[in-house]
Amino acid sequence: EVQLEESGGGLVQPGGSLRLSCAASGFSLSNYWMHWVRQGPGKGLVWVSRIGSDGNFIHYADSVKGRFTISRDNAKNTLYLQMSSLRVEDTAVYYCVRDVQGLGDSWGQGTRVTVSS
Amino acid sequence: DVVLTQSPLSLPVTLGQPASISCRSSQGLVSFDGNTYLNWFQQRPGQSPRRLIYKISNRDSGVPDRFSGSGSGTDFTLKISRVEAEDVGVYYCMQGTHWYTFGQGTKLEIK
Repeated sequence: EVQLEESGGGLVQPGGSLRLSCAASGFSLSNYWMHWVRQGPGKGLVWVSRIGSDGNFIHYADSVKGRFTISRDNAKNTLYLQMSSLRVEDTAVYYCVRDVQGLGDSWGQGTRVTVSS
Repeated sequence: DVVLTQSPLSLPVTLGQPASISCRSSQGLVSFDGNTYLNWFQQRPGQSPRRLIYKISNRDSGVPDRFSGSGSGTDFTLKISRVEAEDVGVYYCMQGTHWYTFGQGTKLEIK
């Protein structure tokens, strides 16, 4: 069974940093492009970042470019999102998402990030 | 940036009746490879999103056949032939041709 489990969320002050992890099981992460998608409180879905299967083809939404870094360790079957210079507007549930025939065939349960003083 | 506009934003439906959600794109969504990367997602209350449809009209595994997708160019539609209680939630269209953009969401509720 395909599973994605995010972790690393929490409460952080504006300007702070967090690293999110997404542990994949039931499949080999190395075969898939992966994404991070976020959802602010009571709001819709927003795409954050994408990474190719070999760590190439990295792209970010303009709102996080220069502050967030996506990476992966295929040997550990884990996807990461390093977030720095966090802003109040980065407050959201962050989902790890697999790409099969396009974004979104499998989603994790999400990890909540709250940026507040 | 590509903007996806969904309508309606709120959709009260009687059980057993059909429902339809429109998604209009600000740009054509045919990719250089000939595919149109327009997907539909369902998010039930308190749950993660689930993909229902990919590339306009292809149902994901396990998705009931009462869900169907159609459209081309800039206009796309998700149809539910007979709404069931488990269909309550928010539905999003998403394009993956020009990077990635989601629609605002349509909240389906039972009348």
